[in-house]
Amino acid sequence: ETGVTQSPTHLIKTRGQQVTLRCSSQSGHNTVSWYQQALGQGPQFIFQYYREEENGRGNFPPRFSGLQFPNYSSELNVNALELDDSALYLCASSLDRGPEQYFGPGTRLTVT
Amino acid sequence: AQSVTQPDIHITVSEGASLELRCNYSYGATPYLFWYVQSPGQGLQLLLKYFSGDTLVQGIKGFEAEFKRSQSSFNLRKPSVHWSDAAEYFCAVGERGNKLVFGAGTILRVKS
Repeated sequence: ETGVTQSPTHLIKTRGQQVTLRCSSQSGHNTVSWYQQALGQGPQFIFQYYREEENGRGNFPPRFSGLQFPNYSSELNVNALELDDSALYLCASSLDRGPEQYFGPGTRLTVT
Repeated sequence: AQSVTQPDIHITVSEGASLELRCNYSYGATPYLFWYVQSPGQGLQLLLKYFSGDTLVQGIKGFEAEFKRSQSSFNLRKPSVHWSDAAEYFCAVGERGNKLVFGAGTILRVKS
């Protein structure tokens, strides 16, 4: 059984740029959720994708967008990066929007 | 709205001593409850979960947690802490088809 994987591991971007983060769900899981974890805080829900449709969104602006592909992998896109977007971005997968979510290792984004 | 409170930001225990990490939640019904552990710079690993039934649940690495509805609590315990348990621990509440809401985390330090 393959766990959740994320790429890249680390990323440094400049304010105003755009970034794409990628996630492959655990085998057999069809739901992907994205979380932002700022330094010293708990993860905050960004949005969830189920069967290629957005299924819930947290309190994040529209410049945070996502996609889910037929193989259930997912992308998180952030436009017009701001310094406060610097964080660990975590992807989690689950089965049929179930509450039991399994997390990937995260992507550390630094915005300068 | 759901919320999770972890009252202790830091806890230090001696190796071999017992451990209890506190978690209180606010939710309208019986929620799904989780404890995750995060090592520095890493993703979240699921320690244990409570959905229904027996209010004392066993998890990995020798951890257990007890759901107390009357106190809206889901405290994590371990009878004897090992140095490798040093990490940050997050309590979370969730529901099917929706996000996980996390507490701010408790950093566990283990002294030898």
